Amino acid sequence: RKEVEQDPGPFNVPEGATVAFNCTYSNSASQSFFWYRQDCRKEPKLLMSVYSSGNEDGRFTAQLNRASQYISLLIRDSKLSDSATYLCVVLRGAGTASKLTFGTGTRLQVTL
Amino acid sequence: DAGVTQSPTHLIKTRGQQVTLRCSPKSGHDTVSWYQQALGQGPQFIFQYYEEEERQRGNFPDRFSGHQFPNYSSELNVNALLLGDSALYLCASSIDNEQFFGPGTRLTVL
Repeated sequence: RKEVEQDPGPFNVPEGATVAFNCTYSNSASQSFFWYRQDCRKEPKLLMSVYSSGNEDGRFTAQLNRASQYISLLIRDSKLSDSATYLCVVLRGAGTASKLTFGTGTRLQVTL
Repeated sequence: DAGVTQSPTHLIKTRGQQVTLRCSPKSGHDTVSWYQQALGQGPQFIFQYYEEEERQRGNFPDRFSGHQFPNYSSELNVNALLLGDSALYLCASSIDNEQFFGPGTRLTVL
């Protein structure tokens, strides 16, 4: 079983739609969680961290359920510019012992 | 403030050859991690360098080796290249837990 699992998609949604991605992780020792965005043929960039209490950044809302070991990302009012691959990332350890593990990514295509 | 830089941007090699990829971290960052991203996959952790030593290693063979220099820049070396080594190689620098990625080196092995 992969340490971080995501539905690879693609998710094809019209502009203005709300879309949600889920991600599960297998290691209960995972400490921190993130969503990264990766545009085609570009490097991943941090979109947002995910906190147990849930957090929101504009149209993006991230939630963490430690008991069920899943993370979600909700995008409201989708824009064409949201088209990208969204990578779920978990962190174990700290400092030089820290290690990021990436999911395979979920591809989102927003259309007119 | 320059972010993470990597060179070269693209590289084509043949099976059996050796390759060296280079990374300069973001200013003020002392830790460098390398990742391999195959097409359609998420980045896979190769190893991490701090204070010129390899601190952690992912599930990659010894053909993959690295180095960190006193100025925190780093190299990734891959020997005896295989077709399956074709991928985007990403370098990330960090201080604390947030990692910033470079644009990557796209390696094609023929």
